Amino acid sequence: EPEVTQTPSHQVTQMGQEVILRCVPISNHLYFYWYRQILGQKVEFLVSFYNNEISEKSEIFDDQFSVERPDGSNFTLKIRSTKLEDSAMYFCASSVGGPGNNEQFFGPGTRLTVL
Amino acid sequence: GESVGLHLPTLSVQEGDNSIINCAYSNSASDYFIWYKQESGKGPQFIIDIRSNMDKRQGQRVTVLLNKTVKHLSLQIAATQPGDSAVYFCAETSNTGKLIFGQGTTLQVKP
Repeated sequence: EPEVTQTPSHQVTQMGQEVILRCVPISNHLYFYWYRQILGQKVEFLVSFYNNEISEKSEIFDDQFSVERPDGSNFTLKIRSTKLEDSAMYFCASSVGGPGNNEQFFGPGTRLTVL
Repeated sequence: GESVGLHLPTLSVQEGDNSIINCAYSNSASDYFIWYKQESGKGPQFIIDIRSNMDKRQGQRVTVLLNKTVKHLSLQIAATQPGDSAVYFCAETSNTGKLIFGQGTTLQVKP
């Protein structure tokens, strides 16, 4: 069964450093998303991406965040200068369709620890 | 505003019993709701969805009920098994497709 994959599973970084989290969505999916989950809290939407551009972003997704689909298979989330409060699980998701046809499949997540 | 919430943070049930997990939402314009299951160390896993033009939808051992009058959503799991132990989230979708998650209910199944 096709699945969303994410690398690395765990990333440890120093405050102020740049990190890139990588995702490979399911191959025939067209809509891509990043969510994050701070330990013990609910999953929060960060950004949605379709047709090589951002569809929507949350207040969390400030200028320090960016997304890219560098090729036909990868979808990345970059945090330019990490802060302690960026420590969280980051989930990538993808779906075949967008609004109204929107079963999103989630990857296993990347645990980001900012020291 | 956008707010999806669950009534209880933890639910403990005996194996074989039925489980009911509840969720309240605040946006009366929401038209699509999903239940996700999250096991420890994993991403959310789709369980079942329901659209606002329906009151009830059944899957394998799971049923979702939607009461639009009181903006309430519930997930019923029949004959709960140890493998059902997880955190359950309700979520709504916006017209852009993003998911708005509730806080989550931890289901503990006692053998």
